[in-house]
Amino acid sequence: EDQVTQSPEALRLQEGESSSLNCSYTVSGLRGLFWYRQDPGKGPEFLFTLYSAGEEKEKERLKATLTKKESFLHITAPKPEDSATYLCAVGSHFGNEKLTFGTGTRLTIIP
Amino acid sequence: DAGVIQSPRHEVTEMGQEVTLRCKPISGHDYLFWYRQTMMRGLELLIYFNNNVPIDDSGMPEDRFSAKMPNASFSTLKIQPSEPRDSAVYFCASSQAGNAYNEQFFGPGTRLTVL
Repeated sequence: EDQVTQSPEALRLQEGESSSLNCSYTVSGLRGLFWYRQDPGKGPEFLFTLYSAGEEKEKERLKATLTKKESFLHITAPKPEDSATYLCAVGSHFGNEKLTFGTGTRLTIIP
Repeated sequence: DAGVIQSPRHEVTEMGQEVTLRCKPISGHDYLFWYRQTMMRGLELLIYFNNNVPIDDSGMPEDRFSAKMPNASFSTLKIQPSEPRDSAVYFCASSQAGNAYNEQFFGPGTRLTVL
């Protein structure tokens, strides 16, 4: 059974204070690792897909990296608008289109 | 495109009542997913369809839950009878075949409260 564990559950940072969110996973044949952002009262919004260990992707102040066991979402010089819950999910070659999600990291950026 | 549309946005009902949630996926998308999100369990896949056909319903908690997709532009998730433990936010998402690493687009969700 595919499993995703995210840490920490919650993180409070001062504006401009860089940090990283962790996503550990176990999956039978990784098809892709996905990062989503979720704002309160809204549905998750797609950020990145990573396909193989060593891959990195960037978008504004966010950079996602992938190893064989975990992924990190690095946030550089965050702004208050980066406050959200960040969800990690994995897709398996054996699970068709199914994604298994972690419970997320709730990020708060304090001005 | 308007994105994935869900209705109602909020539903409050009493235990034992039937609840029907509705979803309109993005036009041209081949896959439709129903998820449930709670604080304790996070986002869980209930069922998904490909070209209107249910493919995996292993996440449907019990026989009280049923889902249909009569055509490419409409799906329903029904709970009958509803119970307080069904209280959650239910999301519908859609994605497009042909993209090997399908990005799923989520709707705004329906917040269900069963009293």
